[in-house]
Amino acid sequence: DAGVIQSPRHEVTEMGQEVTLRCKPISGHDYLFWYRQTMMQGLELLVYFNNKAVMDDSGMPKDRFSAKMPNASFSTLKIQPSEPRDSAVYFCASSLVDRETDTQYFGPGTRLTVL
Amino acid sequence: AQSVTQLGSHVSVSEGALVLLRCNYSSSVPPYLFWYVQYPNQGLQLLLKYTSAATLVKGINGFEAEFKKSETSFHLTKPSAHMSDAAEYFCAVPAGFQKLVFGTGTRLLVSP
Repeated sequence: DAGVIQSPRHEVTEMGQEVTLRCKPISGHDYLFWYRQTMMQGLELLVYFNNKAVMDDSGMPKDRFSAKMPNASFSTLKIQPSEPRDSAVYFCASSLVDRETDTQYFGPGTRLTVL
Repeated sequence: AQSVTQLGSHVSVSEGALVLLRCNYSSSVPPYLFWYVQYPNQGLQLLLKYTSAATLVKGINGFEAEFKKSETSFHLTKPSAHMSDAAEYFCAVPAGFQKLVFGTGTRLLVSP
């Protein structure tokens, strides 16, 4: 399996622009997670899905962030408008409910820089 | 709510020395405990997982962790550090179905 795939790997944009991050989970996994990692806050869970439905988005700033999972093999995290404080590494992870309950598999991340 | 505490944001060891990274969980005995490793510019990788089947858990790259209920601890160890072990290590605990809470991480520095 190719593992969790994220694109782009790096994104540099200017304040106020829209940014879209993409994720393809491991085939067959039914949970998908979006995290943000910064030096100050560490690893924060933004939102997660089960079978394409949002389970918990309490960690996501609702005014500018939105997450969607239109099908089982694709998810997006959109920031509009972007701000310099959104600069971080964004990780997508997926998991499968079976004997490996709770084990999450992470993608390589997208490093976002907002100027 | 469950949480984990990692003591020491940075740990420095010499190559060949013992590695000890500390993790304590907050309250009731969790069903699972995890150690993840993050190499520079990469995502997190599962290092090992405690599932209550055994208190001593062996992971990849020679790492192991021992679950100690009396100390509410799940410390990560490796007898002899390699330069390639330099990375950030995260302890994690379940916090709801399929949801994990991660510690703040410990950066391991290995000097020649």
